[in-house]
Amino acid sequence: QQQVKQSPQSLIVQKGGISIINCAYENTAFDYFPWYQQFPGKGPALLIAIRPDVSEKKEGRFTISFNKSAKQFSLHIMDSQPGDSATYFCAVAGGTSYGKLTFGQGTILTVHP
Amino acid sequence: DGGITQSPKYLFRKEGQNVTLSCEQNLNHDAMYWYRQDPGQGLRLIYYSQIVNDFQKGDIAEGYSVSREKKESFPLTVTSAQKNPTAFYLCATKTHPRGYTFGSGTRLTVV
Repeated sequence: QQQVKQSPQSLIVQKGGISIINCAYENTAFDYFPWYQQFPGKGPALLIAIRPDVSEKKEGRFTISFNKSAKQFSLHIMDSQPGDSATYFCAVAGGTSYGKLTFGQGTILTVHP
Repeated sequence: DGGITQSPKYLFRKEGQNVTLSCEQNLNHDAMYWYRQDPGQGLRLIYYSQIVNDFQKGDIAEGYSVSREKKESFPLTVTSAQKNPTAFYLCATKTHPRGYTFGSGTRLTVV
């Protein structure tokens, strides 16, 4: 059973455009929702994270939007750049997971110059 | 320079062989994790350890074994019982409060 469903699987955006990646989760006990960025041959790195007591968090060009009632959260990358081309993972933690992160399937983002 | 060191970067295994992937950290973190990454499947948890001399199975532990004799080290052995071991393996420690710090990974290929 997938606890986190991420979409789309791949995304192509022009430079300067907005990239949007979505995640949906099942367990309402989750209380930590991070996004990770991974470049080829490297481990994922924490990009931005949100807790369910806020509906939006912004850090530079990256924004998380959180919809608690719909059990969905999304990553928005404004003014997308070729250097943003990477694989992005959403994740969830909380409840009885004892600090373990459960990851989405990943989205391969390609930003064309 | 604090961080997580995974070695080797590339590893080739013959059918029926056991191989061990190394993960060393100097971040002084208690919790360590092993994930497997396959295309289109995200990261799946193999084993994790909250403290020295203790570890628990994750979602896909069959065919793998671990040890945690030192706080700094959490090696993963891929045994011959793992029928499809070709993957990218990632080690992580838990950074407060919930985030992880990942190593650079080991790519294992069966030849």
